[in-house]
Amino acid sequence: AQSVTQLGSHVSVSEGALVLLRCNYSSSVPPYLFWYVQYPNQGLQLLLKYTTGATLVKGINGFEAEFKKSETSFHLTKPSAHMSDAAEYFCAVTQTGYQKVTFGIGTKLQVIP
Amino acid sequence: DTAVSQTPKYLVTQMGNDKSIKCEQNLGHDTMYWYKQDSKKFLKIMFSYNNKELIINETVPNRFSPKSPDKAHLNLHINSLELGDSAVYFCASSSSGTGDYTFGSGTRLTVV
Repeated sequence: AQSVTQLGSHVSVSEGALVLLRCNYSSSVPPYLFWYVQYPNQGLQLLLKYTTGATLVKGINGFEAEFKKSETSFHLTKPSAHMSDAAEYFCAVTQTGYQKVTFGIGTKLQVIP
Repeated sequence: DTAVSQTPKYLVTQMGNDKSIKCEQNLGHDTMYWYKQDSKKFLKIMFSYNNKELIINETVPNRFSPKSPDKAHLNLHINSLELGDSAVYFCASSSSGTGDYTFGSGTRLTVV
């Protein structure tokens, strides 16, 4: 079984401030973890992923996430928020060789000028 | 060239009608999916095909029937549409086992 929990359905930050979106996962085997972003009226786009190896992964648009096995977490961060970062962000989990990806409920990021 | 393309983008129809949504990918992926996104943005997998074979069939009313004529195409046919079917339907594709999805831009279905 696998699941993800995203803490905070809405997060507001000021432009230039740190972005922190939280994700905790549950998986019976080593997970593959993902963050996707969805801009209004668009499909989801892959931001970054963790499979094996380095636990700090960097993605597009200056985002990064750190896999912490002891905390079963995969939080998404960006040092300085930009207005264009306003979107819905989804954490997701799967297992190696497993076809089904399970998505979290999403976190809507608002960036305040 | 759009990697995963869905048609139509918008679909407004009356209750009881039958409608189809089409999806095509040009990425050479072997696995395709249909997801339903409700008004609260929750994404739920419906079906998945790997090389034209149905591999995931979640608890979905049998009014929904997917078809994959080849590994680049996955269509969704919906019979006897109901108000609760209103949602955005996303097609996605991936190489098997990777979890890296490429999503289409979605089909917004409104049943009136």
